[in-house]
Amino acid sequence: EAGVTQSPTHLIKTRGQQATLRCSPISGHTSVYWYQQALGLGLQFLLWYDEGEERNRGNFPPRFSGRQFPNYSSELNVNALELEDSALYLCASSSLDRSYGYTFGSGTRLTVV
Amino acid sequence: DQQVKQNSPSLSVQEGRISILNCDYTNSMFDYFLWYKKYPAEGPTFLISISSIKDKNEDGRFTVFLNKSAKHLSLHIVPSQPGDSAVYFCAASHGSSNTGKLIFGQGTTLQVKP
Repeated sequence: EAGVTQSPTHLIKTRGQQATLRCSPISGHTSVYWYQQALGLGLQFLLWYDEGEERNRGNFPPRFSGRQFPNYSSELNVNALELEDSALYLCASSSLDRSYGYTFGSGTRLTVV
Repeated sequence: DQQVKQNSPSLSVQEGRISILNCDYTNSMFDYFLWYKKYPAEGPTFLISISSIKDKNEDGRFTVFLNKSAKHLSLHIVPSQPGDSAVYFCAASHGSSNTGKLIFGQGTTLQVKP
């Protein structure tokens, strides 16, 4: 069974640009979660999508947005990039009851220069 | 407001000995707790979890203890192996609120020396 896949692995953008990060969940998982791990910090909750709808978002500005497609894959978009957006962005998926926790992908390392 | 705290940024133990990683939380509504392990350049991997109705859960070398009155949980690894060297995150959720949100601690870097 394929795990959670994220692309690209690395992304370098210039301040002010937009970044698009992609995530494919485990087959059968309908929920997708996005987390940010900035240097020296823990994982900060960004967004939760389930059945194509945004269910919850963390304490991030509106320029962090995303969507979930009918096949349950997801995109995270970060507009007007700032230097402090440089971080590892992790996607996770779960079944609805979350009884076995989340399964994370390997992440996208975003560097804003 | 850091609702889940791992106060030890790092821990070093000798191979074969016990590793104890600690985690404190402040929100009494948390009812499900998980431990994840993370290697560099990889995503966190689920290790073990515990529901608030239990005080202990064991899986092989890994045991998680939950002390609800102290709002404290710990992960014991016995015996520790060099391959256990990684960053360990504890996480908590408020299942009944259905926020979909896991709250993570800052992580503890475990080094197991051969």
